[in-house]
Amino acid sequence: DQQVKQNSPSLSVQEGRISILNCDYTNSMFDYFLWYKKYPAEGPTFLISISSIKDKNEDGRFTVFLNKSAKHLSLHIVPSQPGDSAVYFCAAKVGGNTPLVFGKGTRLSVIA
Amino acid sequence: ETGVTQTPRHLVMGMTNKKSLKCEQHLGHNAMYWYKQSAKKPLELMFVYNFKEQTENNSVPSRFSPECPNSSHLFLHLHTLQPEDSALYLCASSQVPSRTEAFFGQGTRLTVV
Repeated sequence: DQQVKQNSPSLSVQEGRISILNCDYTNSMFDYFLWYKKYPAEGPTFLISISSIKDKNEDGRFTVFLNKSAKHLSLHIVPSQPGDSAVYFCAAKVGGNTPLVFGKGTRLSVIA
Repeated sequence: ETGVTQTPRHLVMGMTNKKSLKCEQHLGHNAMYWYKQSAKKPLELMFVYNFKEQTENNSVPSRFSPECPNSSHLFLHLHTLQPEDSALYLCASSQVPSRTEAFFGQGTRLTVV
């Protein structure tokens, strides 16, 4: 039973446009959400996070939105750049002691 | 010096071999993790160590045996693996309890032949 779901395996976006990556979760106990970015042959690197007490967190070109009632979060990248092409993983955790639970990832391709 | 270092980066082993994966973190964290990434699957948590004690084993087959001699080092001992065990094995570390993110190593690409 997958607790974190990324239903789009891939996404293609034109350079300069907005990329929107979506993530749904089923565990209402999750209270901290993260996005990781992964290039081929490298480990995932942390991108941005959001606590369940917030509905938006922004860091430069990256913004994460959280809709708790829908159990949905999204990552917006604007403007998208070719270097953003990677696999993006959504992750969630309960409290401060539990390990992260990951989705399957979405491969983003930004076309120049 | 990177935060989390994994060796080797690539490993090919036969089903009767015994090998070990190594992970070392230089971040002063107190928790370490092994994850498995197979194609088209989520990152699967395998083992969790908090303060050198194993706190979680996600129904991992006994042919995978973790070892955590101290809070900076984590090993994954492999023996009599199957071809379906071929995957990217990722080590991560974090500070607990806290809401900070986990930091990952670059992974070991394992191929079982």
